[in-house]
Amino acid sequence: NAGVTQTPKFQVLKTGQSMTLQCAQDMNHNSMYWYRQDPGMGLRLIYYSASEGTTDKGEVPNGYNVSRLNKREFSLRLESAAPSQTSVYFCASRGQSAYEQYFGPGTRLTVT
Amino acid sequence: AQSVTQPDIHITVSEGASLELRCNYSYGATPYLFWYVQSPGQGLQLLLKYFSGDTLVQGIKGFEAEFKRSQSSFNLRKPSVHWSDAAEYFCAVALLGGYQKVTFGTGTKLQVIP
Repeated sequence: NAGVTQTPKFQVLKTGQSMTLQCAQDMNHNSMYWYRQDPGMGLRLIYYSASEGTTDKGEVPNGYNVSRLNKREFSLRLESAAPSQTSVYFCASRGQSAYEQYFGPGTRLTVT
Repeated sequence: AQSVTQPDIHITVSEGASLELRCNYSYGATPYLFWYVQSPGQGLQLLLKYFSGDTLVQGIKGFEAEFKRSQSSFNLRKPSVHWSDAAEYFCAVALLGGYQKVTFGTGTKLQVIP
């Protein structure tokens, strides 16, 4: 099992450009999450999807959109990137019967 | 609102020494509690979790944590630190009752010196 995979690993964007971060899990988990990690701030929840077909905003959703394409895949889109979105982005998933989350390796995004 | 406090931003210990990382949470009831570890350039890996029952829980890599309800704490310990334990450690809490949200602390970076 690969667990949670994310692509790309690194990305540099110019201000105003758009991109989609991809996430997939092979653990048959219902719930999936997108976080951003910034120095000294821990992980902050951007969006989550409790199950296929549903998405909800987290703490810091502004400037992002998400799509739960199917049970395996949950993508995060930046429509018009801003320097404030420079961060490391993590995708995570969670099974039905437990609260622990399983994390992908992250995408390091720089917006210039 | 629930919150998690890790008061130590950075800790340095000698290899072979014992370790305790502090975590305090603020919530009206007992939440689910977790410790995660993040090695440089990696995602987060679950070390251990507490839901109920025995307040001393064992995790992977020789770590343990003790839940103290009276102090709202869930401190992580290891009797003898190895150089490979150098990483960042995150405490996290989750609400009971099926809600999805997990709140993470700001992390403690552990440096291990020879």
